[in-house]
Order: sequence, then C-alpha cells, then structure tokens
Amino acid sequence: DTGVSQDPRHKITKRGQNVTFRCDPISEHNRLYWYRQTLGQGPEFLTYFQNEAQLEKSRLLSDRFSAERPKGSFSTLEIQRTEQGDSAMYLCASSPGQASYEQYFGPGTRLTVT
Amino acid sequence: AQSVTQPDIHITVSEGASLELRCNYSYGATPYLFWYVQSPGQGLQLLLKYFSGDTLVQGIKGFEAEFKRSQSSFNLRKPSVHWSDAAEYFCAAFGQNFVFGPGTRLSVLP
Repeated sequence: DTGVSQDPRHKITKRGQNVTFRCDPISEHNRLYWYRQTLGQGPEFLTYFQNEAQLEKSRLLSDRFSAERPKGSFSTLEIQRTEQGDSAMYLCASSPGQASYEQYFGPGTRLTVT
Repeated sequence: AQSVTQPDIHITVSEGASLELRCNYSYGATPYLFWYVQSPGQGLQLLLKYFSGDTLVQGIKGFEAEFKRSQSSFNLRKPSVHWSDAAEYFCAAFGQNFVFGPGTRLSVLP
C-alpha cells in the first residue's frame, strides 16, 4: 500500500491556460474525493466518485472544472481557462467503500496562477 | 446550512502540557465526526472518528475526543503534548458530504 499519490506536486501556470492534475488512490478504494484548500482554510469539497461514477459535485465546481475517473482507478481534475482565484492546493482522498467514511489523503497539488 | 466551526485559530502550549481543541458543528442530525492533522508538506492524516456509541473515542498518537450532543461539540484532547504534535488540526463532519472546519494551528513551546 503506497498511499494516495498526486501529480504534479506543484504547478505554475499563466492565467487562461488549462491544467490537469492526476490522483492515484489506494488500490481497491472505491471512493475518490477532490478538495480545494486555500491558505488558512480547511479543505472544501469539490466532487467525489464511487468507482467511475461521479456522484456529487459542489457548487464550487464551476463549468471550467471537470473531473473524471474513467476506469474507476485514477482520476483527473482539469481546470480550463485558469484564473488567479484558482490558485490553491488541490487535494485528493480515497476511501475503502460504502461502509467506511475514512478518507486517506494525498500530499496535494499546489497550483499557482500568475 | 451544514457547518463546522473551530473557534481557536492558533493555540500555543508548552511541551508536556494538556491540550484541548474545540470543534462545534451545525447539522440537522448528528453527523459522522472526524479529526485530522496536517503537518507542513504532508497530507491530512486521520486521528480519530465518531459514528455512534461511546461518546469518548480514542485515536492515534494519544489523542482522544469527546462527543457532546447537547453542545454540538466534538473536542479533541491530549493529556501531554509533544513537540512533534505542532501542526494544523481540522475537525470535519459528514452529513451528505464532507465539511471541514477552518483549522486550528498548534504551536508547542519547548
């Protein structure tokens, strides 16, 4: 068990560019969550997947954000036409299944939009 | 609206002293409750959780938390703090989805 991994760890991009982040959950974890964390705040829920199905999306997830988990394993989070307000830490977490709400977090991807 | 509050932004304690971090929630029913710790450059780590049953729950690293329905609280405690406990602590609740509090930063004096 290597834990949840995220790639890249850091991303600097110019406003208006598209970025994509990847999350690899703990193997056999059915649930996968995305959060956004800004400085001095707790993580804010963005979306989550049960296997490959995206079951819930936060109102924070504007049309510029899209997430996929095509085979029920890794997931990607894409932000189109980035804005400076998108600068944040993007966290991924996985959970074993329906009976467990214990989340295991990855180290995060820090996005800086210049 | 569902919410989690942590009234203390920053707490400083001396090593060996006791610790209590406060957490209050606002939900229609009792949610599942969690405490996480985040060290610089590290992912969040689950300390303990409360689903139901015994209102005093034990976690890792010597932490415990007490659920009090009447006060809508789930405070985290540790009898003797170690320097390595310096970190950011987050209380979280699960109702329909996860909601995290703003965090309490713990500093430990030698």
